[in-house]
Amino acid sequence: EAGVVQSPRYKIIEKKQPVAFWCNPISGHNTLYWYLQNLGQGPELLIRYENEEAVDDSQLPKDRFSAERLKGVDSTLKIQPAELGDSAVYLCASSLDRGGGDEQFFGPGTRLTVL
Amino acid sequence: QKEVEQNSGPLSVPEGAIASLNCTYSDRGSQSFFWYRQYSGKSPELIMFIYSNGDKEDGRFTAQLNKASQYVSLLIRDSQPSDSATYLCAVYSWGKFQFGAGTQVVVTP
Repeated sequence: EAGVVQSPRYKIIEKKQPVAFWCNPISGHNTLYWYLQNLGQGPELLIRYENEEAVDDSQLPKDRFSAERLKGVDSTLKIQPAELGDSAVYLCASSLDRGGGDEQFFGPGTRLTVL
Repeated sequence: QKEVEQNSGPLSVPEGAIASLNCTYSDRGSQSFFWYRQYSGKSPELIMFIYSNGDKEDGRFTAQLNKASQYVSLLIRDSQPSDSATYLCAVYSWGKFQFGAGTQVVVTP
């Protein structure tokens, strides 16, 4: 079974430029998460989808970040415009959430550097 | 106060010894508890999870949960150099996963 796929793996951009990350979850997983992870910290949730519905986006900086999960499968996270402080690893995770907090599986992440 | 707290380490453990990692959480209604291992430059990978009070063993790993004390721990027996990594505690509460900052473990030969 293929794991969570993310692309690109690395991205270097200049500040004020837009950037987009793509995630393909494990087949059949209904719940998809986008996290941000800074060095020396644990992942911090940006947005959680159940199927195609964003059920928790309270931590998503909506002035510059947007996300979508069309058809409840793949998802895209976008930043426009990027700021220096956005440099981090962006992780996508998926789970088959049956309501009790089933285990989530992470993709390899996208390391973003904003210059 | 952070919702999930872990000692940052590094925790230095001789090869073959037991590594003991601790995690405390603030939400008494938390439902599920997870331990992830993260190698430098890699994404977190699930080691094990626990839902009920008591111990759960999986190979060299044992998770211990005490909901009354809001405490979950991970024991790694017969520590190997390949166990050197950061260990993340994650707590699930009402649809949300909260992660600790992780404990760095260094297994010394």
